[in-house]
Amino acid sequence: DGGITQSPKYLFRKEGQNVTLSCEQNLNHDAMYWYRQDPGQGLRLIYYSQIVNDFQKGDIAEGYSVSREKKESFPLTVTSAQKNPTAFYLCASSMAGRSMYEQYFGPGTRLTVT
Amino acid sequence: LAKITQPISMDSYEGQEVNITCSHNNIATNDYITWYQQFPSQGPRFIIQGYKTKVTNEVASLFIPADRKSSTLSLPRVSLSDTAVYYCLVGDNGTNAGKSTFGDGTTLTVKP
Repeated sequence: DGGITQSPKYLFRKEGQNVTLSCEQNLNHDAMYWYRQDPGQGLRLIYYSQIVNDFQKGDIAEGYSVSREKKESFPLTVTSAQKNPTAFYLCASSMAGRSMYEQYFGPGTRLTVT
Repeated sequence: LAKITQPISMDSYEGQEVNITCSHNNIATNDYITWYQQFPSQGPRFIIQGYKTKVTNEVASLFIPADRKSSTLSLPRVSLSDTAVYYCLVGDNGTNAGKSTFGDGTTLTVKP
C-alpha cells in the first residue's frame, strides 16, 4: 500500500527541548515538503527538498532543521529556537517536473509544546 | 511568489454547483495552479491542476482565463461530504520549483 506516513500522530514536549518529526514515503517521489498549519489558517512552507542530500528553506524555516539522506525519508527537527512550535505539521511528497505540485500529504503530526 | 486571495467561506446546498474563485494577480509564467481539499485534522488531498483554459476530471473543473490572474474551481452537484476547506496553490516548475504558495483556504459548507 503506497503512501506517506508521519509519526507520531500526537506529540507533547516541554519548552526548550528539540523534537524530531518523522516522514516516510514509498511512492518513489523525488520531492518532499514540510508545512506548518495553525488553527484556522492555511499551510505555510517550512522546508522542501527536490533531491536527496539537497533541501531549501521555505517561508518560515527559522527554528527548524531537516535532512534528506534517503529518498524515502525527510525528518523535521523543531528546535528550541522556534518561538511558537505548537502547530499541526504536514509532510508531503510529489514527483518532480510537470506534476511537481500534485502533492500527496501524510496524516500530519500535532505538536504541543508547554 | 504569487500573492493568493480566496474567499474565507461559502455556503451551498446539496445538488448545487459551487464555484470558488482564487485571485493570483502576480502569477509568473512558470506557475501552475492547483486545488486541494482538506478535512479537519487530515492532510490536504489533490483535486485538480491546470496552467490555462479549462481542465476537467471526474470530480471538478478548473477554469483559468487568458490572463491567468484568477482561477475558478467548479464542483458540480455538491453533497454534504464536500463540506471541507479548499485551498488554491500556485507553484513554479522553473527556477523556484518546489517553493509554492498556498492561499488561506475557503471553507465550504454544504447544507441539506
